[in-house]
Amino acid sequence: QPVLTQSSSASASLGSSVKLTCTLSSGHSSYIIAWHQQQPGKAPRYLMKLEGSGSYNKGSGVPDRFSGSSSGADRYLTISNLQSEDEADYYCETWDSNTYVVFGGGTKLTVL
Amino acid sequence: EVQLVESGGGLVQPGRSLRLSCAASGFTFDDYAMHWVRQAPGKGLEWVSGISWNSGSIGYADSVKGRFTISRDNAKNSLYLQMNSLRAEDTALYYCAKDQFTMVRGVKTWGQGTLVTVSS
Repeated sequence: QPVLTQSSSASASLGSSVKLTCTLSSGHSSYIIAWHQQQPGKAPRYLMKLEGSGSYNKGSGVPDRFSGSSSGADRYLTISNLQSEDEADYYCETWDSNTYVVFGGGTKLTVL
Repeated sequence: EVQLVESGGGLVQPGRSLRLSCAASGFTFDDYAMHWVRQAPGKGLEWVSGISWNSGSIGYADSVKGRFTISRDNAKNSLYLQMNSLRAEDTALYYCAKDQFTMVRGVKTWGQGTLVTVSS
């Protein structure tokens, strides 16, 4: 079963860019993942699906400032022109054919 | 607009049972797999269980296997989670979530959650 590893925290300045990383465990480097955002006190929100090729598909209403990319077992979420409302927890998620889903531990993003 | 409305949460003693429900609207319910995901206070997201469109494929997290049962009623556009032998560590906000596909392929849409507190 796959395991997803995320840094516990990240920070960046208002108006700058930040790149969050989600790493797939050994043997699962080709897996598709999804990124979700959870603002304080709110339910999570789906951001995008991201393939190993780097191709991504964003959810409805997700700003152009959000993009995805991949390199090997690493999956990235890049947020450009950071806004105060981007301060949130970000989770990656993956799944396998055995009807099993797993979330990463989440990254808490602070906008300075 | 997709809507997922959870209900059935509350305070329950350790060892007792609780049944969560999720009423779905705004999409063709039986075209999608569904999930339960939970979040303990101050913690991250934990997938609990998922079920395919026709209930033919079901999966559980190891932490709930043998105690929780997921089910769905496509005629009623509803998803359920029967939780038995509840423990303090099951205390969490439980989210109902819609998948991207008919089979389990990841969460696409989230409900607002229902709180389950297990305490004596």
